[in-house]
Amino acid sequence: AQSVTQPDIHITVSEGASLELRCNYSYGATPYLFWYVQSPGQGLQLLLKYFSGDTLVQGIKGFEAEFKRSQSSFNLRKPSVHWSDAAEYFCAVGENTGFQKLVFGTGTRLLVSP
Amino acid sequence: GAGVSQSPRYKVAKRGQDVALRCDPISGHVSLFWYQQALGQGPEFLTYFQNEAQLDKSGLPSDRFFAERPEGSVSTLKIQRTQQEDSAVYLCASSLEASEAFFGQGTRLTVV
Repeated sequence: AQSVTQPDIHITVSEGASLELRCNYSYGATPYLFWYVQSPGQGLQLLLKYFSGDTLVQGIKGFEAEFKRSQSSFNLRKPSVHWSDAAEYFCAVGENTGFQKLVFGTGTRLLVSP
Repeated sequence: GAGVSQSPRYKVAKRGQDVALRCDPISGHVSLFWYQQALGQGPEFLTYFQNEAQLDKSGLPSDRFFAERPEGSVSTLKIQRTQQEDSAVYLCASSLEASEAFFGQGTRLTVV
């Protein structure tokens, strides 16, 4: 069965500093990988996704993620964090047969300090 | 509509009460999903519809949970005889076939 691990429950980053959120997955084949962001009281918004091809994926709001098969990782990065990036971030894995079922990690809460 | 709409946004139910949560997907989206998000956790899959057909209900936690989508559009998630452990945010998502899912804002259910 698939699983996703986000080892960091909370991360605090200074505004303007770089960010990396960790995600490790467990899946037998090449997975579909996603990063979502959730602001308080809001639904999930897709930041980026990986299906195949180039392992460095660009997303919205200046985010990128890199798929590393050897490490079973899909870490999210941003070179310069803005105060509006404070939110909960979820990594998810989907079966490569489609989008029918996503398995989410427990999330990482990003706090941005001035 | 412009996005996935869920109602009500908040629901307080007494233990043992039945509740019904509604999801209006994006017009034309054939796939619809329900997820349950407990406090401090990531969403967990409940069930999936393609049009009116419920193709996967493996995530429904008990037979008290029932979902339907009779005309392939609006969906209702019903929970019978609610219990405290049912307290969570229930998220609905929809998508075109083989495409990314768009999530609604969720319904926060509190069972007291």
